[in-house]
Amino acid sequence: EDQVTQSPEALRLQEGESSSLNCSYTVSGLRGLFWYRQDPGKGPEFLFTLYSAGEEKEKERLKATLTKKESFLHITAPKPEDSATYLCAVRMDTGNQFYFGTGTSLTVIP
Amino acid sequence: EPEVTQTPSHQVTQMGQEVILRCVPISNHLYFYWYRQILGQKVEFLVSFYNNEISEKSEIFDDQFSVERPDGSNFTLKIRSTKLEDSAMYFCASSRDRGLGEQYFGPGTRLTVT
Repeated sequence: EDQVTQSPEALRLQEGESSSLNCSYTVSGLRGLFWYRQDPGKGPEFLFTLYSAGEEKEKERLKATLTKKESFLHITAPKPEDSATYLCAVRMDTGNQFYFGTGTSLTVIP
Repeated sequence: EPEVTQTPSHQVTQMGQEVILRCVPISNHLYFYWYRQILGQKVEFLVSFYNNEISEKSEIFDDQFSVERPDGSNFTLKIRSTKLEDSAMYFCASSRDRGLGEQYFGPGTRLTVT
């Protein structure tokens, strides 16, 4: 059973059209939820860590939020350079494994 | 800005051959990881390494795989007898803290097994 599910799989936005990406998780005892950005042929690039429900983090046009069962990555007024695959990963409070979702491929059209 | 580096960027090998993938983690980081990503699929955890020993490994990390930190800077992943299904992008990552801190990924090594 998948522990991390991301939706939608792909998203096309016009430049300036705000939207949200979803990451839902089924693990119990969440120790941290991580958002990464991955460009084609490259390694994931760290964006945010969220530790507890209600927490929010912001960076430029991105804002990540966390509830007890899911996280959202809100993109405000996106630009073409925001086009990438956004990955969500979780770590449980036991062990040191990170479980990744399959990602949301975001395309921002000028 | 410090970064994780990996060599080679692309490795082609024949089935049954041994390969060693190399990584240089960020210098003040203490925790090291290997992940793989088969084309079009999710990033999968292989192993974590701390204080010169494996701290956790996934089901994927069977006896064909081994890791080593041969000196103060390199971190290697060895696959003893490669299979076609080992073809994937292999990412090394490092972090300063255990899990609570973010992981920094290298650019990856694309392994192609023919």
